Amino acid sequence: LAKTTQPISMDSYEGQEVNITCSHNNIATNDYITWYQQFPSQGPRFIIQGYKTKVTNEVASLFIPADRKSSTLSLPRVSLSDTAVYYCLVGDRNTGFQKLVFGTGTRLLVSP
Amino acid sequence: GAVVSQHPSWVICKSGTSVKIECRSLDFQATTMFWYRQFPKQSLMLMATSNEGSKATYEQGVEKDKFLINHASLTLSTLTVTSAHPEDSSFYICSASLGQGGNTIYFGEGSWLTVV
Repeated sequence: LAKTTQPISMDSYEGQEVNITCSHNNIATNDYITWYQQFPSQGPRFIIQGYKTKVTNEVASLFIPADRKSSTLSLPRVSLSDTAVYYCLVGDRNTGFQKLVFGTGTRLLVSP
Repeated sequence: GAVVSQHPSWVICKSGTSVKIECRSLDFQATTMFWYRQFPKQSLMLMATSNEGSKATYEQGVEKDKFLINHASLTLSTLTVTSAHPEDSSFYICSASLGQGGNTIYFGEGSWLTVV
């Protein structure tokens, strides 16, 4: 049973900001939240990781509320090349992320 | 970021034969490697966890005698699909962890297996 729940799909247009929310109601104290991007026929690519509050890097921001039961990946000004499947995972960093379980992911389609 | 490489990227084999897929961590030592399979339009499913120097741990429903995993060194894990059949055709992906305290896991590029 997946530990995370995400929307199956989202549509957007170039230049818009996209926010993808993930629910992880049973997140454990030691779990970190990590988001991956996957293009067809490629392995998942690391986007961003966080534990609480807000994390920002050069490609995305991750917002985590105080209860940590959900998280939101924010992609600013998406382009066509951001069309991909986005996975939210929770895992224990202290155990080297043993037994990460992938949920359905969110299929993002960016149109011109 | 850390690099995990798989080989081959794609392979076609005849039904009944065996095929080996390699997963290498190129710039770090991976105490743990994971093998996933992914069917088209579906999510990744964890097959097994491979710890260096010990036997792999298989997920429920995954036949350990069919999917042989060897993690002989800190930079290499192999998955051998034995007596492959068309239903084994899939995208196989490995990932590697730095172990306790490692900040994330890194995925390989994936390997397409087609059994004809």
